[in-house]
Formats: sequence, C-alpha cells, structure tokens
Amino acid sequence: AQSVTQLDSQVPVFEEAPVELRCNYSSSVSVYLFWYVQYPNQGLQLLLKYLSGSTLVESINGFEAEFNKSQTSFHLRKPSVHISDTAEYFCAVSSISSGSARQLTFGSGTQLTVLP
Amino acid sequence: DTGVSQNPRHKITKRGQNVTFRCDPISEHNRLYWYRQTLGQGPEFLTYFQNEAQLEKSRLLSDRFSAERPKGSFSTLEIQRTEQGDSAMYLCASSYPGQNYGYTFGSGTRLTVV
Repeated sequence: AQSVTQLDSQVPVFEEAPVELRCNYSSSVSVYLFWYVQYPNQGLQLLLKYLSGSTLVESINGFEAEFNKSQTSFHLRKPSVHISDTAEYFCAVSSISSGSARQLTFGSGTQLTVLP
Repeated sequence: DTGVSQNPRHKITKRGQNVTFRCDPISEHNRLYWYRQTLGQGPEFLTYFQNEAQLEKSRLLSDRFSAERPKGSFSTLEIQRTEQGDSAMYLCASSYPGQNYGYTFGSGTRLTVV
C-alpha cells in the first residue's frame, strides 16, 4: 500500500516569486510519481511525471520536480509564478508492479494562490 | 479527440434516491477508471475497467455502488439509496495500454445529497 502526504494545504505567494510545493510518500514497493493540477471546475491535468532516468523532471510551463529516493520526496518547484498558476496541485504515486491496475494514490492537495 | 466526457456535471438528489452517472472515455482508450473526490481531499480510487471487464474494485465501493461498461465504451456508475456521505465529485479517467500512466480525466460529476 502507498500513502502520499502534502505538507501544505494552502500556499499563498506573490506573482514572480519562487514557490515549492512539498510532497512525501510512503510505499513498500517501487513507485512512479506524478503531479496533477486542477483548475476550478475542471478535471485533473497531468503536470509532470517521474517514471525512471533523470530524477529531475520538467513541465512545459516552467514547473519542475525532483525525485529524492532517500527522502521519499517529490517536491514541485517553479522559480517565478504567474497569476494563471493559481490552482490546486495534487501529488500522486502508483505502484510499478506490472500486474497492477495502475491506480493512483493521491495526496490531499495544495491550493496555490498567486497574489498580484 | 474530444476528451473524457462526464454527465451530468451536477446532480442534486434527496437522500435515499438512486443516481446514475455516465462517462464517455476517449474513443481509443480501453482502460477506464472511476475516482471519488470529497471536499479538501485528493481523489480516491473506486474501480477500474479494461474493455468491458471490471478488474479491480476498491473497498470504498460499497454494495450500494455498481459500475458497468457493457460494450467496452461508455461506463455508468450507479449509487443506490444515496446517503449524505456520498456527496462528492465523481471523476472518470481513461487511458490506453501504451500510454505510460498519462490518464486523461473528465471534469467530473458533482453529487450533492440533501
């Protein structure tokens, strides 16, 4: 079984400031890691994922996340945020097991609010 | 590609009534998932279909819940004898086997039980 902890439920930050959204996970097996974003009244959209290889992964809109196996973390960062980044962000994990349904276990989410 | 479509977007029902939601996945996706998201929480897995076969069910899916995907295309999720605790956003997602964990989620059906 896996669990995901997002340490901050709300993160307010001023426009153009850097931000870090924290995510820690617990699992007895190897996992894949994901960040999803949810804008108001919309479904979840995949922001980025770590499957293998380089531990630093990037999205097309400037977010990046680094997989740290020893600290079981997958924190999301952006060096300069925009008003349009205001949304709820969810960290998720999935077992690597080939026999699994690839179901995702989500954290409780972090509401990022970018202030002008 | 019109995305994953869910209907209705909102449903208000009285406690004890039955409700049914529909999900239309992306046409070439053979995997379909249902998740439930309550206020202030992340989505929780409910069930998974590969084509028409329901292969996994969460313990969250009580006897009052049933899901079907009769022809391997659209899916329905029915809740019988609704309770106030069923109030949540019900999310559907789909994917295909070669898609490396890149689910596509629908916008969800928000259920309010009064």
